[in-house]
Amino acid sequence: DAKTTQPPSMDCAEGRAANLPCNHSTISGNEYVYWYRQIHSQGPQYIIHGLKNNETNEMASLIITEDRKSSTLILPHATLRDTAVYYCIVFYVGNQFYFGTGTSLTVIP
Amino acid sequence: ETGVTQSPTHLIKTRGQQVTLRCSSQSGHNTVSWYQQALGQGPQFIFQYYREEENGRGNFPPRFSGLQFPNYSSELNVNALELDDSALYLCASSFSAGGFNEQFFGPGTRLTVL
Repeated sequence: DAKTTQPPSMDCAEGRAANLPCNHSTISGNEYVYWYRQIHSQGPQYIIHGLKNNETNEMASLIITEDRKSSTLILPHATLRDTAVYYCIVFYVGNQFYFGTGTSLTVIP
Repeated sequence: ETGVTQSPTHLIKTRGQQVTLRCSSQSGHNTVSWYQQALGQGPQFIFQYYREEENGRGNFPPRFSGLQFPNYSSELNVNALELDDSALYLCASSFSAGGFNEQFFGPGTRLTVL
């Protein structure tokens, strides 16, 4: 039960912003939205998380809609090293991380 | 600071055998979670250990079992291996089972069951 829906794949031109959408229409009020990415054959890497407000860190920005039913991960200037599978996860303390199948992002030179 | 390490990197077993996979958590972390990732799929939660006790379990049969040691390292044991157990097994450690739970993942163990 992944509780999130993501497009299976996306392309992005190098240097452009990559916008990765995620639908989590059944999210509960106390569940956080987490984003991880997995570069081929490596363990997943934490990117960012948020509850209600938009968040930004050195890697990415997270935009959560006001009704919290969807979010968008933004990589502001995609590089070839950003090619990976990106997972959107909803999580609450005491529950389990459900990864789903993620979005395979390919950054094109 | 040492990250999460897993051993072995690769393993080949035959159906019916037993396997033990090992994970060393990141320094200062007391929680370890195990995941199974089949080819082309996202990681699936197996179970979590917090301070040497099982603290949650996913939809996996009892032949998947685990241990956490006083130094917070952990083992995943799988008995009576089946072909479908072939997967990448990931270990993740976190500072605590509660609160903000950023998980740090190891590189995984690739298990092949023939």
